[in-house]
Amino acid sequence: EVQLVESGGGLVQPGGSLRLSCAASGFTFSSYEMNWVRQAPGKGLEWVSYISSSGSTIYYADSVKGRFTISRDNAKNSLYLQMNSLRAEDTAVYYCARVPVTTKTADYWGQGTLVTVSS
Amino acid sequence: AIRMTQSPSSFSASTGDRVTITCRASQGISSYLAWYQQKPGKAPKLLIYAASTLQSGVPSRFSGSGSGTDFTLTISCLQSEDFATYYCQQYYSYPQYTFGQGTKLEIK
Repeated sequence: EVQLVESGGGLVQPGGSLRLSCAASGFTFSSYEMNWVRQAPGKGLEWVSYISSSGSTIYYADSVKGRFTISRDNAKNSLYLQMNSLRAEDTAVYYCARVPVTTKTADYWGQGTLVTVSS
Repeated sequence: AIRMTQSPSSFSASTGDRVTITCRASQGISSYLAWYQQKPGKAPKLLIYAASTLQSGVPSRFSGSGSGTDFTLTISCLQSEDFATYYCQQYYSYPQYTFGQGTKLEIK
């Protein structure tokens, strides 16, 4: 069974940092591209970042570029999102999502982890 | 950036109804369009990709159509478990996805 389990969310002050993790199981993690997508409370979905299966290609949304860093460890079946210089508008549930190379659509999502940026 | 606009933003329907949700892209995206269902407190679930291909395990009462800029998601006979929020998503500019604002389907 495919499973994606996010962790690392919590309450952080503006300007602070947080590192999210996504533990994958039930599939060959190294064969899939991965994304982070977030959802502010009561709002819609916003793509945050992409990483290729090997980790060699990375993209970010303009709203997080220069502040967030995506990475992965295929040996540990894990995806990460390092978030620095956090702002109130970064408050959201953060989901990791698996993307098959063949379809380019996120077919499995984790349950999400809530990040709250507030003083 | 490609903008996705869904209509309506919300509406009410009854079990057994046939419902259609529309999604329009700000530029042509061929068939690079997916539909997701999201229930409160849950992660989105992929229903349809490539505009009309049903994801494995999704009931056949869901269908999608369209290409270019105009797309529709149809639920042929609403079931109680279908009341949720639906999002369209373009992946023409993959990996820089954009989503529609969502359509909340409520019980009448």
